[in-house]
Amino acid sequence: SSELTQDPAVSVALGQTVTITCQGDSLRTYCASWYRQKPGQAPVLVFFGKTNRPSGIPDRFSGSISGNTASLTITGAQAEDEGDYFCHSRDSGGHHVVFGGGTKLTVL
Amino acid sequence: QVQLQESGPGLVKPSETLSLTCSVSGDSMGSYYWNWIRQAPGKGLEWIGFIYSRGSTSYNPSLKSRVTISLDMSKSQFSLRLSSVTAADTALYYCAREHLSATGKPGSYFYYYYMDVWGKGTTVTVSS
Repeated sequence: SSELTQDPAVSVALGQTVTITCQGDSLRTYCASWYRQKPGQAPVLVFFGKTNRPSGIPDRFSGSISGNTASLTITGAQAEDEGDYFCHSRDSGGHHVVFGGGTKLTVL
Repeated sequence: QVQLQESGPGLVKPSETLSLTCSVSGDSMGSYYWNWIRQAPGKGLEWIGFIYSRGSTSYNPSLKSRVTISLDMSKSQFSLRLSSVTAADTALYYCAREHLSATGKPGSYFYYYYMDVWGKGTTVTVSS
């Protein structure tokens, strides 16, 4: 399969924990990577692999994988975490890049 | 610090060919996948295709018949050509560097790809 499925929108109260999910058959073979995009800006990598956060990304961002579902968890969400979150991987054959449709995160 | 910069015409006429270049600075182009991605207004990310540093390419099946991606390592650039454009090709076009890595033990590796560097994007409008 070449599709990654995300919920269109999620909200979280300030300081609470939120999990954004990404589902697809190819995630049984390849880990997802996660990007946050704010209005008018390019996507920024926030988590990749099983345990990796780029330099500058707070440790409140973590990731996990179970079966065909990858999850990005923000523990203690902050106002600056608002944005659109996209997951990315390859299709099951590894030849094509795939993106999830994106999840709009609102911090209340 | 690696930087990517897209360049090219911001306006293309219908049926013509869209041409963009991504200039890479701050690192070599070796052992990476160099991607083109676009985002229509208010929409998600759509992968267009990539070229690996050794020259192999892969394209989105929905665009494959119209896309060509090329690489000029001597100039630290890679380019996109999209032919026969229509209004549906109006979008913000990004270039991005993609890595392949792995975790785990021999025989049970788990592979992952990630795009750690993106250009700021360039808007292309298709209109007469």
